[in-house]
Amino acid sequence: EVKLVESGGALVQSGGSLRLSCIVSGFTLSSYEMSWVRQSPGKGLEWIAYINSGGETTFYADSVKGRFTVSRDNARRSLYLQMNSLRVEDTAVYYCARVGFAVAGTFDLWGQGTLVPVSS
Amino acid sequence: EILMTQSPGTLSVSPGERATLSCRASQSISINLAWYQQKPGQPPRLLIYRASTRATGVPARFSGSGSGTDFTLSINGLQSEDFAVYYCQQYSNWPPYTFGQGTKVEIK
Repeated sequence: EVKLVESGGALVQSGGSLRLSCIVSGFTLSSYEMSWVRQSPGKGLEWIAYINSGGETTFYADSVKGRFTVSRDNARRSLYLQMNSLRVEDTAVYYCARVGFAVAGTFDLWGQGTLVPVSS
Repeated sequence: EILMTQSPGTLSVSPGERATLSCRASQSISINLAWYQQKPGQPPRLLIYRASTRATGVPARFSGSGSGTDFTLSINGLQSEDFAVYYCQQYSNWPPYTFGQGTKVEIK
């Protein structure tokens, strides 16, 4: 079965750090670009990070630049999001998402998400 | 950054009727637009890409149109499983990828 499974979400205090993981199955991770997208409670979708297939190129939304780092380990079939200096406004469900192979830029596969509440 | 604006915020439709959702980009994005469906407690699901191409497994009652700055998602003969929130997303000029704020399709 083709799927993404996120983990690592937990309640964290403002200023704290957390590392999210996303393990993939059913496809070869090294063939795909990946992203993280988040959704604040009751709100819309916000793209926050991108990493190319080899891990050499990353991009970030301004809202997380300098605080979050995306990385990957293709051998372990895993994607990561290191989140530092967390703020209350980072409270959200965090999804890992596969960038479409045929149509780069679309997100054709999503995990179920992991919740990160940030308390003040 | 390209701003994506969806309208209306909420659309009330009776089962079996047609729903028409709009998405407008702040500058031309050609046909580099995708639509997603999200049901409560679930992740988004890709419905449409390249403005009008249905993703694998998406029923033919879903159709997309438009180019440049104005786009439409139509759902013909709404079924119970179609009541959800729909988001548009541009991938023409990134980073960042940007989403609209969503349109909720609810039962009338």
